[in-house]
Amino acid sequence: EVQLVESGGGLVKPGESLRLSCAASGFTFRNSWMGWARQAPGKGLEWVGHITSNSDGGTTDYASAVKGRFTISRDDSKDTLSLQMDSLKIEDTAMYYCTTDRYNWGQGTLVTVSS
Amino acid sequence: DIVMTQTPLSSPVTLGQPASISCRSSQSLVHSNGNTYLSWLQQRPGQPPRLLIHKISDRFSGVPDRFSGSGAGTDFTLKISRVEPEDVGTYYCMQATQHPYTFGQGTKLEIK
Repeated sequence: EVQLVESGGGLVKPGESLRLSCAASGFTFRNSWMGWARQAPGKGLEWVGHITSNSDGGTTDYASAVKGRFTISRDDSKDTLSLQMDSLKIEDTAMYYCTTDRYNWGQGTLVTVSS
Repeated sequence: DIVMTQTPLSSPVTLGQPASISCRSSQSLVHSNGNTYLSWLQQRPGQPPRLLIHKISDRFSGVPDRFSGSGAGTDFTLKISRVEPEDVGTYYCMQATQHPYTFGQGTKLEIK
């Protein structure tokens, strides 16, 4: 069974940084494209970005709203996906979901950016 | 970025009756490899999203066959043949043909 477990969410101030992690199991992580999506309270889904498998180049792509501030990385030795979020803004407040490039989804971790 | 537009945004339906949601993209979703990466996701209240349909009409693992997808190019439809109580929630179309991926605004399915 595919399992994706996010962690690392919390309350931070504008301008601060936060690193989210996603522990994956139940599938061959190293062969999988992985992504992050988010959902602001009471709003719809927004794609944050994704990373291809290392065999496909390990390339990343980001939504315009986070480009230059967020960085997605992967550790295939630990079956872990990460999202480094810098220069956080109030509008980054959301539930952040880890996903196997839209096929399977974790339960999410909540990030709140507030002064 | 490709803009995805769903209609309606809210859909009151009667249990046992069919339901239909439309999704239109601002440009063709046909990839250079010939595939069309249009997906439908369901989000029940308080739950994470769940993939129902990918590549227009392929049901994902464990999805009941009352859910079906159709369409081509820029116009797509999700149909539920007979709505059941567990279908209440918000439905999103999503394109993965062009980066960055984008979602529709969501359609809230409610029981009359």
